[in-house]
Amino acid sequence: AQSVTQPDIHITVSEGASLELRCNYSYGATPYLFWYVQSPGQGLQLLLKYFSGDTLVQGIKGFEAEFKRSQSSFNLRKPSVHWSDAAEYFCAVGKDDKIIFGKGTRLHILP
Amino acid sequence: KAGVTQTPRYLIKTRGQQVTLSCSPISGHRSVSWYQQTPGQGLQFLFEYFSETQRNKGNFPGRFSGRQFSNSRSEMNVSTLELGDSALYLCASSSLGQGTEAFFGQGTRLTVV
Repeated sequence: AQSVTQPDIHITVSEGASLELRCNYSYGATPYLFWYVQSPGQGLQLLLKYFSGDTLVQGIKGFEAEFKRSQSSFNLRKPSVHWSDAAEYFCAVGKDDKIIFGKGTRLHILP
Repeated sequence: KAGVTQTPRYLIKTRGQQVTLSCSPISGHRSVSWYQQTPGQGLQFLFEYFSETQRNKGNFPGRFSGRQFSNSRSEMNVSTLELGDSALYLCASSSLGQGTEAFFGQGTRLTVV
């Protein structure tokens, strides 16, 4: 069955440190891949997406993600986090008129 | 270009009542999907409408229903409200349908007391 796994429910990093949020998926074919961010009480905002082509994808707010087909992963990275990055992050996969979201990773930033 | 608009932003209802939530998608988008988000269950897919037809449906009871109008605006209705229906209800619109890039509204926070 198709699934998306975000193994880390919570992650805490210091402001200015680098960040990597993990996402693994199980899908029959290469799906479309997305990362969304949600601030408290708000909707989800698309950070970046991968449909095809270059496996390193640049997004908004300084985020990037790398698609690794061999590992079925689409990890989100940022070289230096800011306090405003504290939020919940969702990985999602889509194909054939269906989209599946991971459970989310809540990012905490230490001053 | 205006984003996805959900109304109302907040609602308080009593058990047993019914509620209707509204979603106006981005102009030109024909797909509207609805999600329920709770701390315990995360994001759960309710249903998707595309050009006024329900195309996908999640695993929710029949108390949850929806519709889409010719202008792509969508409503979802929950009848006989239960305490467990308290959640953030999110609407997402896309041009090509679920599975492609989606744009979310800010959500409607429903509290059932």
